[in-house]
Amino acid sequence: AQKVTQAQTEISVVEKEDVTLDCVYETRDTTYYLFWYKQPPSGELVFLIRRNSFDEQNEISGRYSWNFQKSTSSFNFTITASQVVDSAVYFCALSGFTGGFKTIFGAGTRLFVKA
Amino acid sequence: DTGVSQNPRHKITKRGQNVTFRCDPISEHNRLYWYRQTLGQGPEFLTYFQNEAQLEKSRLLSDRFSAERPKGSFSTLEIQRTEQGDSAMYLCASSLGGSSYNEQFFGPGTRLTVL
Repeated sequence: AQKVTQAQTEISVVEKEDVTLDCVYETRDTTYYLFWYKQPPSGELVFLIRRNSFDEQNEISGRYSWNFQKSTSSFNFTITASQVVDSAVYFCALSGFTGGFKTIFGAGTRLFVKA
Repeated sequence: DTGVSQNPRHKITKRGQNVTFRCDPISEHNRLYWYRQTLGQGPEFLTYFQNEAQLEKSRLLSDRFSAERPKGSFSTLEIQRTEQGDSAMYLCASSLGGSSYNEQFFGPGTRLTVL
């Protein structure tokens, strides 16, 4: 079975603080993809990043960075110097061969960034 | 706007009525997905199409639910004999074919309220 766990339901930070959103996944597949999506208050999910299981290189995109560790089945997301506009719900997701083309989403972490 | 569009954005209906939602994917995307999202949860996969073929259906999709994608373009999701438990946000997403795990582009969703 495939599963994505985002243990942090809500996180509240003050602007300019760094924040890390945790994601732990379960899969028996050797080939799989991990994703992060952002859902702002407007409601529309926005794709942030995709990572395949063979690429453990960490990635940085502006204030966003992702840490993929297969040894711990984790794919954590860090926002550096958070801004109020980062306030949203963030979803980690998994797609694997066993699941066909389904994408399994975690329950999400709601991030509040206060000015 | 060339993103994924969904209509209607909101639907209020009485229990027992039938409802139909429409999704127009990004024009060059041959994969189309339907998800259901309830409050505080991540999107749950319902079904997906590769062109006009419906390739997978979740067990969440009871026989009251049916989805079509005639001609491989727009898709409709119909719920018959709605129940209060059907109240949720129904999300549509589309993606390019080829790689199995391309990022999905989501529409704004249709919020269904069953009274």
